[in-house]
Amino acid sequence: AQKITQTQPGMFVQEKEAVTLDCTYDTSDPSYGLFWYKQPSSGEMIFLIYQGSYDQQNATEGRYSLNFQKARKSANLVISASQLGDSAMYFCAMREGHGDDKIIFGKGTRLHILP
Amino acid sequence: SQTIHQWPATLVQPVGSPLSLECTVEGTSNPNLYWYRQAAGRGLQLLFYSVGIGQISSEVPQNLSASRPQDRQFILSSKKLLLSDSGFYLCAWSIDRGDTQYFGPGTRLTVL
Repeated sequence: AQKITQTQPGMFVQEKEAVTLDCTYDTSDPSYGLFWYKQPSSGEMIFLIYQGSYDQQNATEGRYSLNFQKARKSANLVISASQLGDSAMYFCAMREGHGDDKIIFGKGTRLHILP
Repeated sequence: SQTIHQWPATLVQPVGSPLSLECTVEGTSNPNLYWYRQAAGRGLQLLFYSVGIGQISSEVPQNLSASRPQDRQFILSSKKLLLSDSGFYLCAWSIDRGDTQYFGPGTRLTVL
């Protein structure tokens, strides 16, 4: 079974609109971490945001926020006021347990921002 | 600040040839280091990780190997490349186990 599920293979959004990229995860470990990475066409994986399973508040980093719904095992990425430069592949990832080296990645969502 | 370098950026190699990809990190000591492979249009697959010099853990059995000859240097190698080794190889580092991993610019390998 997949540990990280991203159900949107591709999305088209108008510039300046808000975007929500879906991510659900599967773990029985009470301690885990969730990550979002952006991969532009250059290929580099850029870390965007992190949410720990025990964090009380949703993580925010500038225009990025993580809508963490623990009971639903959901960790959607929200990008406010989208820009043309946001066009990229976005990966949701999870680290199970505390201090584990392994991060499991989803298959990604390709986001296209339209002018 | 910390930076991570990978080279070469692109590589085209014939089947059966050897491989050596290098990754170096600057601005930190004793980082955890990782090698990932990303096949075309797919997610990342962890290949190897290292918590210190000479310490390598393999995640996927294959014809690739990794070495860490220095604290901030991580090398991915193969004695004989296969067609299936084509892909985008990313190196990453973290301060400690479980911390956020930061990625290098990647190496695009094409095996013909």
